[in-house]
This record gives sequence, structure tokens and C-alpha cells, in this order.
Amino acid sequence: EPEVTQTPSHQVTQMGQEVILRCVPISNHLYFYWYRQILGQKVEFLVSFYNNEISEKSEIFDDQFSVERPDGSNFTLKIRSTKLEDSAMYFCASSGLATNTGELFFGEGSRLTVL
Amino acid sequence: QKEVEQDPGPLSVPEGAIVSLNCTYSNSAFQYFMWYRQYSRKGPELLMYTYSSGNKEDGRFTAQVDKSSKYISLFIRDSQPSDSATYLCASARRMTGNQFYFGTGTSLTVIP
Repeated sequence: EPEVTQTPSHQVTQMGQEVILRCVPISNHLYFYWYRQILGQKVEFLVSFYNNEISEKSEIFDDQFSVERPDGSNFTLKIRSTKLEDSAMYFCASSGLATNTGELFFGEGSRLTVL
Repeated sequence: QKEVEQDPGPLSVPEGAIVSLNCTYSNSAFQYFMWYRQYSRKGPELLMYTYSSGNKEDGRFTAQVDKSSKYISLFIRDSQPSDSATYLCASARRMTGNQFYFGTGTSLTVIP
């Protein structure tokens, strides 16, 4: 069964450092997303990406965040200068065309710990 | 603005019980209503989705939406220990390309 894969599973970084989280979405999917979940809190939307550009972003997704699809398979989230409050589980998700269920397939997440 | 509200529980029931999970939402523009299940340290996985008001049944699971009261429900019949997980409700204007608004999740434990 196709799945969304994310690396690393856990990253520990110092405040102010840059972090890149990587995702390989399901191969025939067209929409890509990043969500995050701070421990004990809601799953929160960060950004959606379609046709090589951001289609929607939340207030959380400020200038320190960026996304990129550098090749045909990877989808990355970069956090330029990490803050303590960026510590969270980051989920990548992908979905296919609007004509199907639009089901979001989530990866298992990358846990980011900022010290 | 709290778009989707969900009672976090925890909820503990004996095996075979009927479970009722509930959410409310505030945005009248939401048309799609989803229930996700999340096991510890895993990503959410879609259980069911409903478009607009009405009921939808899938095996032991029934999703119900009442747009007039902005109320979302998930019923689990004959609950099993394998149903133990966190259940997240979510709402959206469209199914693709836009954000889903998630509730906080309800932690469910089904006791054998």
C-alpha cells in the first residue's frame, strides 16, 4: 500500500539553527501539505502546495518557514531559525485529485525538539 | 477563533459498548466533515468523511452531521480493544488544497 514517508523521525536542534524536514508523498498525488501538532494540542495546518506553488498557508507559516519540491518526489519544509516553540510533531500529507475522496494521507511524522 | 471544538476525554468504555464522540464547529462555510483515528506516535488516518448534513455508515462506525446545529458525531458500535486510539474530528470548506481544521482529539480506551 502506498504511503507517505518522512525523515528524520526525530531531530534535536539548538535554538536558532536551520532545520529541513523531508517528505516523500504518494507518487501520483498532486496536493501536498504540512501540519504540525504540539504535544497535547490540535493538529494545525501550516501550508498546502499544488502545481509547484503554495495554494494556502496559515498564520503560523511565517517568513521563517518555506517549502520546496526540489525534484519529482521530495517535498521539504525548512525552518530557518528555530525557536523553542517550534518543538512539535510535523506531519506531511498528500492527496490526489478532487474527484476522489480527497483523503489526506499522513506520514508518521517528524518530531522536532528545539533546545 | 476556535473553529472546531472537541471534548478531549479521556473516555474509557468496556468492550462491546456503544461509543459516542462529538464535536462542534463554528464556520458555516464548512462542507466536509471528517473523522480521523490516530494511534500513539503515528499520523492520523481517515476513518470516514461526510459531505454536508446527514448520516454515513461504514461497518461499526456511523458519522453524523447536523449543519443546523453545527454538530458532528461519530458512533462506534460493539467497540473493540483495537478501537483504542485518539479520534480527531476535522472540518473543511473543500476536500483538497485547503486546510482542514482539527479538533483536539478524544482519547478512547476500550477495556477487554
